[in-house]
Amino acid sequence: GESVGLHLPTLSVQEGDNSIINCAYSNSASDYFIWYKQESGKGPQFIIDIRSNMDKRQGQRVTVLLNKTVKHLSLQIAATQPGDSAVYFCALENQGGKLIFGQGTELSVKP
Amino acid sequence: NAGVTQTPKFQVLKTGQSMTLQCAQDMNHNSMYWYRQDPGMGLRLIYYSASEGTTDKGEVPNGYNVSRLNKREFSLRLESAAPSQTSVYFCASSEARGQEETQYFGPGTRLLVL
Repeated sequence: GESVGLHLPTLSVQEGDNSIINCAYSNSASDYFIWYKQESGKGPQFIIDIRSNMDKRQGQRVTVLLNKTVKHLSLQIAATQPGDSAVYFCALENQGGKLIFGQGTELSVKP
Repeated sequence: NAGVTQTPKFQVLKTGQSMTLQCAQDMNHNSMYWYRQDPGMGLRLIYYSASEGTTDKGEVPNGYNVSRLNKREFSLRLESAAPSQTSVYFCASSEARGQEETQYFGPGTRLLVL
């Protein structure tokens, strides 16, 4: 069946460093991928998305990379700040329109 | 523009009690969703409503019912709460389902069933 997995459940980085959060998926037919950020006690917040006809998309301090060959998605956060501390989820939309979530990576930023 | 709002924020129920979780969105979205989030399980879809007047089961619908009251509002009802329904419940909405439209989430309702 379809699955979305993250490589690491936790990630700790120094303030100012770049963070890379990885995600692997099993369904090669997926066309739409999203990264969400969830702070403690809050709902998931949309960060950035990418469609399968692209391999890179940039936002403000964030970049998403999509490698369809190896079915790998990553989120890069530049100059990580304490406010970036949260759980990050990748999600993909399958052909039935269902959003499938990974289990999340908890990012901790050390001052 | 409040986005997606949910009430209540917290609720404690005894086994067998019933309650309704409310959700509203002001983004004029067609599709709305209810998820539950449990530790180590990620987000799982309970029910969704692709458009006003329609509802469909998601991954874990047992023990729940939903009502799409109008385009803005989508409620989730627990008729007879069980401890296994202790969870954090999130409502979400999107412009359309299955068309690569981002889902936007509410702040969640934390439910404890004793």
